Amino acid sequence: DIQMTQSPSSLSASVGDRVTFTCRASQSISNYLNWYQQKPGKAPKLLIYAASSLQSGVPLRFSGGGSGTDFTLTISSLQPEDFATYYCQQSYSTPWTFGQGTKVEIK
Amino acid sequence: QVQLVQSGAEVKKPGASVKVSCKASGYTFTSYGVTWVRQAPGQGLEWMGWISAYNGNTNYAQKLQGRVTMTTDTSTSTAYMELGSLRSDDTAVYFCARGDGTTKELDYWGQGTLATVSS
Repeated sequence: DIQMTQSPSSLSASVGDRVTFTCRASQSISNYLNWYQQKPGKAPKLLIYAASSLQSGVPLRFSGGGSGTDFTLTISSLQPEDFATYYCQQSYSTPWTFGQGTKVEIK
Repeated sequence: QVQLVQSGAEVKKPGASVKVSCKASGYTFTSYGVTWVRQAPGQGLEWMGWISAYNGNTNYAQKLQGRVTMTTDTSTSTAYMELGSLRSDDTAVYFCARGDGTTKELDYWGQGTLATVSS
């Protein structure tokens, strides 16, 4: 199985900050990498697919990058509604696997 | 608009089975697969498998093989996930989502169904 490792596991940031978190795959997954946002008690929401494509309706402050084994998700200016947990997920091969998540908290 | 609406919470005893439904609307049901993902309390997301709504082909997580069955009813645009031989560590919120190995991403999700396994 492909292991997905996210870092950091949590971070504290302020509104307006630029934040970047990373996701590393245990083997090359080309660009088959998706990012989801999950708020407590809610279903995950797709933000970025194919490593860098912005899902329709998602604000432009979100961007994704990377290929192969190393990927990033950047929020250019953190907004109050962005405090949530973010998961990466590989769809290169089954079983699809998720990272353990990065929780973004208010500083 | 695309919607996936899941059935309500369940409480089951160890050894029993649970069947969760996921009713789709707002798109052509047979044009997309349905993936099931679960989340144990306070934990991360776990992929369980998917089913093609077009031809019924399935792809299950190895660890659930023999216990999980995914089906669809195209006449009602509903997907089902049944998990048998339940154990306490199957207690989780179960999500359905649109997408499978063809589309490569999960773009719409159901609201989740909490299944609690307790004696």
